[in-house]
Amino acid sequence: KAGVTQTPRYLIKTRGQQVTLSCSPISGHRSVSWYQQTPGQGLQFLFEYFSETQRNKGNFPGRFSGRQFSNSRSEMNVSTLELGDSALYLCASSLVPGPEAFFGQGTRLTVV
Amino acid sequence: AQRVTQPEKLLSVFKGAPVELKCNYSYSGSPELFWYVQYSRQRLQLLLRHISRESIKGFTADLNKGETSFHLKKPFAQEEDSAMYYCALYNTNAGKSTFGDGTTLTVKP
Repeated sequence: KAGVTQTPRYLIKTRGQQVTLSCSPISGHRSVSWYQQTPGQGLQFLFEYFSETQRNKGNFPGRFSGRQFSNSRSEMNVSTLELGDSALYLCASSLVPGPEAFFGQGTRLTVV
Repeated sequence: AQRVTQPEKLLSVFKGAPVELKCNYSYSGSPELFWYVQYSRQRLQLLLRHISRESIKGFTADLNKGETSFHLKKPFAQEEDSAMYYCALYNTNAGKSTFGDGTTLTVKP
């Protein structure tokens, strides 16, 4: 079966703009988590959704938000982009909330 | 607060040599610990979890609560083991994973 799919794979945005990233989980998986990966900070948890509800949120400003749809697909949005938001954004899905998740290939966001 | 520390950013060994990737954690509760691996140009994937006490691709990891460690070991490294390895702690109460900064393992021929 298809793995976790993230779109787009690459994105270049200008400071101040906003961006929406998409994640399609593995069929049947109802939990989706998002992570930010940067060389300086490593992998950092952004938020987790299960059955359209945000269960947990990491220590990120309110500019970072997300949602999950009834088909379990998830989007994350970053508003008023800053240079420091440049990162690889990873999505992971699992049947139920937990650490045994399958990761997507990520969306590489560059803010210029 | 929970924290995961991988003290070595880079680790290089020769093929056939033993390898140990270190992971230390701080967590006030009962931890669930995992190792993830990312091979070149591939996705991050779960390697093993402490609760299953399994051996995957020859790797094992034992949770030492006294030393708050979860080191990953393999007695004879192979070139295909070259990858980035992340140690992670899952907080069941908060429902989130905390990752270490990762260790890049290079196995030389």
